[in-house]
Amino acid sequence: QSALTQPPSVSGAPGQRITISCTGSSSNIGGGYDVNWYQQFPGTPPKILIYGDTNRPSGVPDRFSGSKSGTSASLAISGLQTDDEADYYCQSYDSGLSGYVFGTGTKVTVL
Amino acid sequence: QVQLVESGGGVVQPGTSVRLSCAASGFTFSTYGMHWVRQAPGKGLEWVAVIWYDGINKDYADFVKGRFTISRDNSKDTLYLQMNSLRAEDTAVYYCARDRQQRLDHWGQGTLLTVSS
Repeated sequence: QSALTQPPSVSGAPGQRITISCTGSSSNIGGGYDVNWYQQFPGTPPKILIYGDTNRPSGVPDRFSGSKSGTSASLAISGLQTDDEADYYCQSYDSGLSGYVFGTGTKVTVL
Repeated sequence: QVQLVESGGGVVQPGTSVRLSCAASGFTFSTYGMHWVRQAPGKGLEWVAVIWYDGINKDYADFVKGRFTISRDNSKDTLYLQMNSLRAEDTAVYYCARDRQQRLDHWGQGTLLTVSS
């Protein structure tokens, strides 16, 4: 059982804006630990998309943005494109588990 | 450029042991923490273990404590995962990844381990 909960799937039409939630607790997100987001296409390793709650690595389009409030975090994708169809995972550190945790993962579908 | 190449996967029988390796290049390996993360077929990412740059401090997911051991050889720029008493549920692609301030900023392509009789 993951310490971080995400919706199994989110969908949207091209050009729309979607958000993916990541719900944790006081021992991870709510404890002030950074939230990172990863994008994964089938058969390939994950790639970091957002780090430190809101920061984009170089090369990641500004259509992707991250936010955090309380014990939850969100990833927003604006101007949705067919290339954005992938699985997305949040990740943080959990002091209660003394280890890192990933979210349950969200499959994004572009209608 | 940063490169991480895993090896050691394959098909093994339940109850046996295997050691995975991750060869690193393109960065100063001895100054970074390193992780193992796994992904069972059709499932999500599952964090396995982390080892800090000096090889002394380590953390493990609860489900592998006592069975798996993470280690590194900084003279060989290589990360290891010793896995004992393997079970069918350990079947997964195992990725190594570099740690940078609690984010996993570079990942290998992964090695598939299948535990089956």
